Amino acid sequence: QVQLQESGPGLVKPSETLSLTCTVSGDSISSYYWSWIRQPPGEGLEWIGYISYSGSTSYNPSLKSRVTISVDTSKNRFSLKLSSVTAADTAVYYCARGAGTYFQHWGQGTLVTVSS
Amino acid sequence: DIQMTQSPSSVSASVGDRVTISCRASQGISSWLAWYQQKPGKAPKFLIYAASSLQSGVPSRFSGSGSGTDFTLTISSLQPEDFATYYCQQANSLPWTFGQGTKVEIK
Repeated sequence: QVQLQESGPGLVKPSETLSLTCTVSGDSISSYYWSWIRQPPGEGLEWIGYISYSGSTSYNPSLKSRVTISVDTSKNRFSLKLSSVTAADTAVYYCARGAGTYFQHWGQGTLVTVSS
Repeated sequence: DIQMTQSPSSVSASVGDRVTISCRASQGISSWLAWYQQKPGKAPKFLIYAASSLQSGVPSRFSGSGSGTDFTLTISSLQPEDFATYYCQQANSLPWTFGQGTKVEIK
């Protein structure tokens, strides 16, 4: 059974870069599509972007200029970097595995607060 | 971007009730629609894909229907563990987008 676990700082200062890692167990990261999704407190879900098994990426245009998703196949994990953060980026960040279109397996989520 | 609009935003129901949640896309998405269930403090759980296909392990009281722009999630007989927020998601075109959610509350 695939498991995903997010990790990274829970507090980031405004204008800095948010960095999170998703470690995958029970499956090879060299298959499927691996996404980041976020949810501001009390709000709905927003897809941030994905990296595919082939290494191709796709980002939400609303965040594209600030987002980078990368993969480390040797450690079976993938990462999110979001630059120039503001309070509007405060959210629970989820990593998820999908077959390209849907999100079948999710990590438990990690809350990232942007504050000085 | 394709906008997904769910209705109602919340519904109060009792155990055993039939509950129906609607999801409308701002443009046609064929059957590229999924439904998720989210409980407080937890990650969403994948329930239905391709508008009407039940994910393995999901109880048969959940069903989905629709195509094009109008979709429905039905819970045939609400159980205590079904009280949660439900989201639809379109997978027809990037960026993938979600509805704003429908909260199913205890009456």
